[in-house]
Amino acid sequence: KAGVTQTPRYLIKTRGQQVTLSCSPISGHRSVSWYQQTPGQGLQFLFEYFSETQRNKGNFPGRFSGRQFSNSRSEMNVSTLELGDSALYLCASSLGGTGSGTDTQYFGPGTRLTVL
Amino acid sequence: AQRVTQPEKLLSVFKGAPVELKCNYSYSGSPELFWYVQYSRQRLQLLLRHISRESIKGFTADLNKGETSFHLKKPFAQEEDSAMYYCALRRDSGNTPLVFGKGTRLSVIA
Repeated sequence: KAGVTQTPRYLIKTRGQQVTLSCSPISGHRSVSWYQQTPGQGLQFLFEYFSETQRNKGNFPGRFSGRQFSNSRSEMNVSTLELGDSALYLCASSLGGTGSGTDTQYFGPGTRLTVL
Repeated sequence: AQRVTQPEKLLSVFKGAPVELKCNYSYSGSPELFWYVQYSRQRLQLLLRHISRESIKGFTADLNKGETSFHLKKPFAQEEDSAMYYCALRRDSGNTPLVFGKGTRLSVIA
């Protein structure tokens, strides 16, 4: 089974621009979660999508948004980029069904975003 | 709010020595606890979860609700254990987000 894929792997943007990152989950997985990883704050949860609906949301400003398509692929968008948005953005997929408390999250390799 | 604390940023041990990576959490409910590992140039992957009560690659972890801890242990460290280790918590057993600690880098010295 192919793993979680993320594109692009590296991205350089300037302040004020916007960016879109893409995540393709493992086939059959319906839940996609996004995390921001920085040296100072570690791994922080952004949001989770399940069946095209945002199911959980972390404590990030509205500049961070996402969506999920009918094939479970997900995108996240960051508008009006700030220097502090420089980070590794990870997505993780899981089956995500109801009552799946033991659901395992499988992580992608991440997208390294640098904001200049 | 839930919080996961890993007090050591870096832990260095000699090959063959015992390893204990500490993890403490704060949550008043019944959490699920996990250990994730990231080897050099590889993606983050699940190492073990407390409900499985299994040993993976010689590592074990016991959930101690009284001390709110979930320390990761291995009796004899191997060089290939060198990696970044993250403790994570999910509240209850529903589809809720993982809350990660900041990680401990384990370096096993030959």
